[in-house]
Amino acid sequence: SQQGEEDPQALSIQEGENATMNCSYKTSINNLQWYRQNSGRGLVHLILIRSNEREKHSGRLRVTLDTSKKSSSLLITASRAADTASYFCATPEGYQKVTFGTGTKLQVIP
Amino acid sequence: DTEVTQTPKHLVMGMTNKKSLKCEQHMGHRAMYWYKQKAKKPPELMFVYSYEKLSINESVPSRFSPECPNSSLLNLHLHALQPEDSALYLCASSQFSSSEAFFGQGTRLTVV
Repeated sequence: SQQGEEDPQALSIQEGENATMNCSYKTSINNLQWYRQNSGRGLVHLILIRSNEREKHSGRLRVTLDTSKKSSSLLITASRAADTASYFCATPEGYQKVTFGTGTKLQVIP
Repeated sequence: DTEVTQTPKHLVMGMTNKKSLKCEQHMGHRAMYWYKQKAKKPPELMFVYSYEKLSINESVPSRFSPECPNSSLLNLHLHALQPEDSALYLCASSQFSSSEAFFGQGTRLTVV
């Protein structure tokens, strides 16, 4: 299975601090995606980084991809209480599947 | 319209009941998905429809029966479910398979 593994499993930080979560995957990919899920709700797509990109920014989000290490990281800067959620990386498996990583549960304390 | 709409939001059903989950999108996406998510776990893929045809069935038990009546609608028919099937069922769509996916808010299913 391609399922990515994320660490840490859980992260608790103070509002205003940065949060970093990591994703490792097993096989070659052409892109990697990050999603956010608020408690018990649907997932929201955050960012997609292609295999030929090393870094990508979107607002307070910064994603890096190291294909040689088969790993990616998501950095959320200046965190807010509203960033409290679970974050999942997702990688393609074949042409039609996207497999989600194990997830990081982020708590931002006001 | 960038929404995927799922109904109902909550469903409680007995093990002998037949029910259906519905999903609708109007983004012109040609790939649609059903995922199952248990508490504190990532979503697990159940089915993929591509151009209204079932392209992936992840060895899902036959008590779950998907249907794609047209390019905007996706149903999941449920029959004779077990309590362990209780979970959050998520529908998603994307323009192409493995591209950015848009998710509905899910149906919280409880089997009693």
